[in-house]
Amino acid sequence: DGGITQSPKYLFRKEGQNVTLSCEQNLNHDAMYWYRQDPGQGLRLIYYSQIVNDFQKGDIAEGYSVSREKKESFPLTVTSAQKNPTAFYLCASVDSQETQYFGPGTRLLVL
Amino acid sequence: AQSVAQPEDQVNVAEGNPLTVKCTYSVSGNPYLFWYVQYPNRGLQFLLKYITGDNLVKGSYGFEAEFNKSQTSFHLKKPSALVSDSALYFCAVRDPGFQKLVFGTGTRLLVSP
Repeated sequence: DGGITQSPKYLFRKEGQNVTLSCEQNLNHDAMYWYRQDPGQGLRLIYYSQIVNDFQKGDIAEGYSVSREKKESFPLTVTSAQKNPTAFYLCASVDSQETQYFGPGTRLLVL
Repeated sequence: AQSVAQPEDQVNVAEGNPLTVKCTYSVSGNPYLFWYVQYPNRGLQFLLKYITGDNLVKGSYGFEAEFNKSQTSFHLKKPSALVSDSALYFCAVRDPGFQKLVFGTGTRLLVSP
């Protein structure tokens, strides 16, 4: 997991609440990605950013939002519009040789 | 569109025996191929990749994989399995024309003592 931190490790969301997951990297990578992991479905791409102040929707962006104001940080907000947010969320950054490095993940649970 | 398939949900092998975890892919161009491993409640760890060059790629922890263009496969192998290899393994592919990495659904490897 080295070089990428995610917090918190566990997060509880009440109905109608927006919550923000933190992702920080000190690897000096330009590109960063957010994935959602559900059992038996592998990883699905939520959003990605190739450079500061720019980001694109992935395959399942509805109900999520991101920002990329700093190279080191790529926070993900799970909005109240996401009706099924319970999942394991993984952040990754990518080096110049195409390798993705993952953080330890945040498990989001709904109260 | 790019896609990747891992046909086995679980692979069981005895410690000391060779192991193979299968992966096939579909891309329109020359693929970038990756294997990652995940331990419970952890992020994914990079094992190895094929971008170009030799078809046999060697990676971390004694794992290797062979790129087979004619069969569109990239199977993960290890000559002698360890109990500590028990984990969830993901194959992933990227078409160089796209920015996204597409992951398979994962194969659980269980190595028995």
